[in-house]
Parts: sequence; C-alpha cells; structure tokens
Amino acid sequence: NAGVTQTPKFQVLKTGQSMTLQCAQDMNHEYMSWYRQDPGMGLRLIHYSVGAGITDQGEVPNGYNVSRSTTEDFPLRLLSAAPSQTSVYFCASSLTGDLDEKLFFGSGTQLSVL
Amino acid sequence: QKEVEQDPGPLSVPEGAIVSLNCTYSNSAFQYFMWYRQYSRKGPELLMYTYSSGNKEDGRFTAQVDKSSKYISLFIRDSQPSDSATYLCAMKSGGGSNYKLTFGKGTLLTVNP
Repeated sequence: NAGVTQTPKFQVLKTGQSMTLQCAQDMNHEYMSWYRQDPGMGLRLIHYSVGAGITDQGEVPNGYNVSRSTTEDFPLRLLSAAPSQTSVYFCASSLTGDLDEKLFFGSGTQLSVL
Repeated sequence: QKEVEQDPGPLSVPEGAIVSLNCTYSNSAFQYFMWYRQYSRKGPELLMYTYSSGNKEDGRFTAQVDKSSKYISLFIRDSQPSDSATYLCAMKSGGGSNYKLTFGKGTLLTVNP
C-alpha cells in the first residue's frame, strides 16, 4: 500500500516559471490537502478538497491553483513561481474531513525558486 | 498572540531520559489535540491524539491536555535515539469538512546514545 505519493521530491525553478506538484493516494480518501512548511513556521494550509470536483482555499492560497478531477489525484499548480514560494510542500489525505479523522502525509516536495 | 505556541528547541537529552514537550494555545474552540512526529526529510506522522482533558498513554508516550490552562504536553519515557525527530503539536476546531487544523512550529529533539 503506497499511501500518499508526491512527485517530484526536489525541484528548482526560475522566477516566473510554472509547474505542477503531483499528489496521489491509493486509500480511497475523500479529503486531500496541500501544506507548505517553512523554517520557523508551522505547517500552513494552502488548499484542500473534500471530494472530486470540490476544492476550497486554505490559509495561504495566493499563487497556487488546485483541481480534483479524480478521488486519487490532487495536483498543486504554481502559476508564476516567486522566491517566496521556496518551501517544502506536503500533500495530506484522510478518509473524510471529519474532526477525528487521521491525516496521512506524503514525503514532501522541496522546491527552490531562484 | 499566535493561536498555538511551541518552543522550537532544539532539545538534546541522553538516552533513557524523560522528555517533556509542550504547547500552549489561545483559541478556546480547539476540540481535538494531536502530536505528530516528523523525521528529517519525511512527512509528519500522527503519534497521538486526544479530545479531552487528562492523560492518554500509548507505550512510552503520554499525551496530556489541560483545557482550563490551554496547555498540552507530550511525555516520552525511556527515550531512545530513534525518537530523535521534530515533534509538532496540532489542534483542530470546527466540524465536518470545514475543520481548522493549526500546527505548532515544532520542537527538534535529539536523543544521544
């Protein structure tokens, strides 16, 4: 059972470039989300989805787009990369979005924007 | 005042020591309290969770919540080098799919053999 799989593990971009961070889960989870983790700061929610075709903004959504066409996949798109988006990005999923559901995290994508 | 405060450490202890990790919070709406463990270059993994005041034990780990003081703790007994990681407290409020999950900044723990 692979769990939550993120690709790529590392990425370097130039300012203004666009790219997509991939996230897939094989646990039939309805709830999926994207976080960024920066030194000296906690994990911050970027976007989340409670099911295919449904997405919503989190705490820091600016500069990022998401879509959820299938239950399994939840890609995160950077439209025009900026140095402020240098961070480690984590995808996480849970069976539902209920309060007591366990959240499973992927291994992360380390992104550097020059 | 930040909603969740966590001392970032770093914390370095000898093998076998008792470790105490702590978080304070200001939002009375938080209902669910968790501790995540994050090894270097890995994603966080849920270690313990509780929704009531008091203690919850799981092997060498004890999670303690004091809602009146808005204070949570994680105790690790007989600490091992394999416990070396960053520990994140997290708290949930809200209901259904619109819950809010807030993380502390994390405390880096090193257990020395």
